[in-house]
Amino acid sequence: DAMVIQNPRYQVTQFGKPVTLSCSQTLNHNVMYWYQQKSSQAPKLLFHYYDKDFNNEADTPDNFQSRRPNTSFCFLDIRSPGLGDAAMYLCATSRDLAGTEQYFGPGTRLTVT
Amino acid sequence: AQTVTQSQPEMSVQEAETVTLSCTYDTSESNYYLFWYKQPPSRQMILVIRQEAYKQQNATENRFSVNFQKAAKSFSLKISDSQLGDTAMYFCAFQSPGANSKLTFGKGITLSVRP
Repeated sequence: DAMVIQNPRYQVTQFGKPVTLSCSQTLNHNVMYWYQQKSSQAPKLLFHYYDKDFNNEADTPDNFQSRRPNTSFCFLDIRSPGLGDAAMYLCATSRDLAGTEQYFGPGTRLTVT
Repeated sequence: AQTVTQSQPEMSVQEAETVTLSCTYDTSESNYYLFWYKQPPSRQMILVIRQEAYKQQNATENRFSVNFQKAAKSFSLKISDSQLGDTAMYFCAFQSPGANSKLTFGKGITLSVRP
């Protein structure tokens, strides 16, 4: 059974055209994360929600926004995608913050043309 | 700030043999968590093994075990009886126990298991 679901799996957008990636979870976890992963690199945390509390990483560009309307769903909005934003975007969840396992979704591969 | 170093970018191992992936980290904290995550090609990342720094006993999960050397700040992963399905990128990660602490990943190592 899928636990962390990401849609779409592949997304193509044009330079500067807003795009939204979605993530849902069936685990009822408190924490949801968004990571950016470029080819053969480690995932880079963009932000996370603990319940409704939003925590932005200091180096996350303003171009990236997130929404968590309820426990199950979280969205990543890229307001004006640039070519450098082409990457795999991973959603993850965890029951709690420190020390607990993160469950990752399969990712959405974003292409910017 | 914590750092995690995986100095080997790639490794290869024959099926059924044993391989060790190295990881070192730097921290001034005494309590923390260490993880190995596996990311197979085109598949999602999953947790392989987890270690709590205050536990002296090395964590083990079936064919996967760690050699945790706290004083040396070393956290290597041993994979016994390697299988083709072990082919993946492996990331070592560190996490502090504090609120809002994040996973600090190493650069990862690509492991190929040869038939």
